[in-house]
Amino acid sequence: DTEVTQTPKHLVMGMTNKKSLKCEQHMGHRAMYWYKQKAKKPPELMFVYSYEKLSINESVPSRFSPECPNSSLLNLHLHALQPEDSALYLCASSQDMLLETQYFGPGTRLLVL
Amino acid sequence: AQTVTQSQPEMSVQEAETVTLSCTYDTSESDYYLFWYKQPPSRQMILVIRQEAYKQQNATENRFSVNFQKAAKSFSLKISDSQLGDAAMYFCAYRSAKSNYQLIWGAGTKLIIKP
Repeated sequence: DTEVTQTPKHLVMGMTNKKSLKCEQHMGHRAMYWYKQKAKKPPELMFVYSYEKLSINESVPSRFSPECPNSSLLNLHLHALQPEDSALYLCASSQDMLLETQYFGPGTRLLVL
Repeated sequence: AQTVTQSQPEMSVQEAETVTLSCTYDTSESDYYLFWYKQPPSRQMILVIRQEAYKQQNATENRFSVNFQKAAKSFSLKISDSQLGDAAMYFCAYRSAKSNYQLIWGAGTKLIIKP
């Protein structure tokens, strides 16, 4: 089973709202990733968690705040977003940060008004 | 720095025919992995096939196969017996075996299947 789930599928929020995206995997993977993807572009890496610790932050603005409550869950907390933050947010996981294959979830389509 | 190039922004193929998507990459490393991911309109990024650079044999997954030319730094994807469900964006990606987590992505190729 190579399933990564994400909720919600769609999210519309105002610039003053606070919302959270959720990601879950039950493959026993120890590395989890957040990506941002604009239309017709490849994904851009935002954060990497390895063994529940933040390993990589690709200079992401502080209005995005990741959290890894346990080895199966990954959250992305959103606050005071800008319209240019509207995008598809993808979660992925891999067995280990150093191992090669990342498996992706279906994404959350975010619209910031 | 490594780069991945997909020179075909869009390709179309008749249903049941064969199509090849091209990907070239640039690296000074000898040990790495290459991937093809498919992203249909449903948006989920699906792993199609992967290739370890140290393996000479081309990877195959059912109707999908690659032509891996390490010296030429080329990694093309062949889809045989194209089906309507193959319509998607196809991304080629590179990952170093040594360094890290980072996937280096191509710009993508939109594949259209004509019924």
